[in-house]
Amino acid sequence: KAGVTQTPRYLIKTRGQQVTLSCSPISGHRSVSWYQQTPGQGLQFLFEYFSETQRNKGNFPGRFSGRQFSNSRSEMNVSTLELGDSALYLCASSLDYVNGYTFGSGTRLTVV
Amino acid sequence: GIQVEQSPPDLILQEGANSTLRCNFSDSVNNLQWFHQNPWGQLINLFYIPSGTKQNGRLSATTVATERYSLLYISSSQTTDSGVYFCAVGGYQKVTFGTGTKLQVIP
Repeated sequence: KAGVTQTPRYLIKTRGQQVTLSCSPISGHRSVSWYQQTPGQGLQFLFEYFSETQRNKGNFPGRFSGRQFSNSRSEMNVSTLELGDSALYLCASSLDYVNGYTFGSGTRLTVV
Repeated sequence: GIQVEQSPPDLILQEGANSTLRCNFSDSVNNLQWFHQNPWGQLINLFYIPSGTKQNGRLSATTVATERYSLLYISSSQTTDSGVYFCAVGGYQKVTFGTGTKLQVIP
């Protein structure tokens, strides 16, 4: 079966711009979560969606937002980009949290 | 929140050697996974192991939930095992990652 698909793989944006990242989960998975990975902070939880509802949110400013569609695909949006937002953004899907997560290949965002 | 500590932070092995990676967590959890992150950033799921022992080829893992730790064993290491190994634990809907063990296997 197809894995978790994230698009785009690479992205370069300018400070102040906004960006939207996409994640298509494994077919049948209704939980989608997002993580930010940076060399300094490691892997940090952004938010998790299940059946179009955000169930949990990490400690990130309101510039970071997300949503999930009825087909379980998810998007995350970062507005007013800052240099510190440069990171690898990873999406994971799961049947539910108790079943473990499968990660996509990530989107590497560079803010210049 | 849950604290997750991994040790050692760095490990260099000669090809063919065995190793044990450790993950300690501060509270009871509903799930625990081990991941291998390859040089391209992809997180590969190794084990989903909230308790007990599992084996997959040269890799095995044991979680003792009552004592809040998990171990990942790598036997007969190969250069392709190089990368960063993460332990990730979860309560409800939120997963917390450890800081990882960076493994380098040299020929």
